[in-house]
Amino acid sequence: EVQLVESGGGLVRPGGSLRLSCETSGMTFITYEMSWVRQAPGKGLEWVSYINIGGSAIYYADSVKGRFTISRDNAKNSLYLQMNSLRAEDTAVYYCARRYCSTAGCLFDYWGQGTLVTVSS
Amino acid sequence: DIVLTQSPDFQSVTPKEKVTVTCRASQYIGSKLHWYQQKPGQSPKLLIKFASQSASGVPSRFSGSGSGTDFTLTINNLEPEDAATYYCHQSGSFPLTFGGGTKVEIK
Repeated sequence: EVQLVESGGGLVRPGGSLRLSCETSGMTFITYEMSWVRQAPGKGLEWVSYINIGGSAIYYADSVKGRFTISRDNAKNSLYLQMNSLRAEDTAVYYCARRYCSTAGCLFDYWGQGTLVTVSS
Repeated sequence: DIVLTQSPDFQSVTPKEKVTVTCRASQYIGSKLHWYQQKPGQSPKLLIKFASQSASGVPSRFSGSGSGTDFTLTINNLEPEDAATYYCHQSGSFPLTFGGGTKVEIK
């Protein structure tokens, strides 16, 4: 069974930092691209960042570019998101999502349960 | 950036009714459009992939259609457990984007 388990969320003051982790199991992690997607309270889904299999291709939403860093450790089957200079508008549930790719294209097929990040003084 | 515009934002329907949700892309995306269902307190679940292909285990009452810029999610014979928010998502180009969501309430 594929499992994605996020951790590392919590309450942080504006300007602070947090590092989220996503531990995966039941899948061959090294063969999947991965992303972070967030959801502010009562709002819709917002894609945050993407990393390819080897970590050589990385993309960010404009809203987090320069502040967030995505990374992965294929030996530990884990995905990370280092979040610096946090703002109130970064308050959200952060989901780790597996990106499945075929000849037809790619999509998010599995999601974690999410970890809540609250930025407040 | 590709903007996905969903409509309606909210729909209140009785069981066994038919629900139609539309998603319009600001640029051509072929069939790289997917639909997700999210129930309160849960993570999104893949319903329809590549515009019209049902994901594994999804009831046959859910179907998708469209290509290019205009897409539709249809729920036939609505069941009480279908109360949720539905999102479209394009995977054609970065930044990846989602529609604003359509909340379906059961009367």
